Amino acid sequence: DQQVKQNSPSLSVQEGRISILNCDYTNSMFDYFLWYKKYPAEGPTFLISISSIKDKNEDGRFTVFLNKSAKHLSLHIVPSQPGDSAVYFCAASALNTGFQKLVFGTGTRLLVSP
Amino acid sequence: DTAVSQTPKYLVTQMGNDKSIKCEQNLGHDTMYWYKQDSKKFLKIMFSYNNKELIINETVPNRFSPKSPDKAHLNLHINSLELGDSAVYFCASSHSYNVRGTEAFFGQGTRLTVV
Repeated sequence: DQQVKQNSPSLSVQEGRISILNCDYTNSMFDYFLWYKKYPAEGPTFLISISSIKDKNEDGRFTVFLNKSAKHLSLHIVPSQPGDSAVYFCAASALNTGFQKLVFGTGTRLLVSP
Repeated sequence: DTAVSQTPKYLVTQMGNDKSIKCEQNLGHDTMYWYKQDSKKFLKIMFSYNNKELIINETVPNRFSPKSPDKAHLNLHINSLELGDSAVYFCASSHSYNVRGTEAFFGQGTRLTVV
């Protein structure tokens, strides 16, 4: 039962353009969402998060949007840079099951070409 | 200075063997985790310890036994290894188990291959 889905396994974008990574979830109890970035042979690193009481959170070039009614969130990277090339994981948690019990999607591989 | 470090990075072993993966964090965090990333790239939580106390134990075979000698260390011991145990195992830590905004920091992973 895959509660967090990233339906696009890969995305290619040109440097300077916007990258939009999407994530859908099925568990309505999820109330905290995170994006992690992963380079090869490294562990995931935290990028940005959003609580369900918000619909947008911004940190520099990274913005996460949450649409609770659609159970959908997206990560926007503007402008995209070659160093952003990595696998991006969406993750979610529900307070009633323990905040740090993260449920991850399968990731989207982003390739930013110069 | 690595925040969450795991050893070994690669582990190749035969079926039936017993092996351990060690994890240490120098972030002063109270909570540590083991996650498993299987061949389909699913990253799933296995265990979580808060101040040496087990707080999350997902449906994991009892051949897997975590041990936390202190809050900076969480080791994973696996008995009678099976082919299906081949995966990448990630250790992680966070400030607190149930406080919002405390994201988890991950180690580099241990790629376990059972042959």
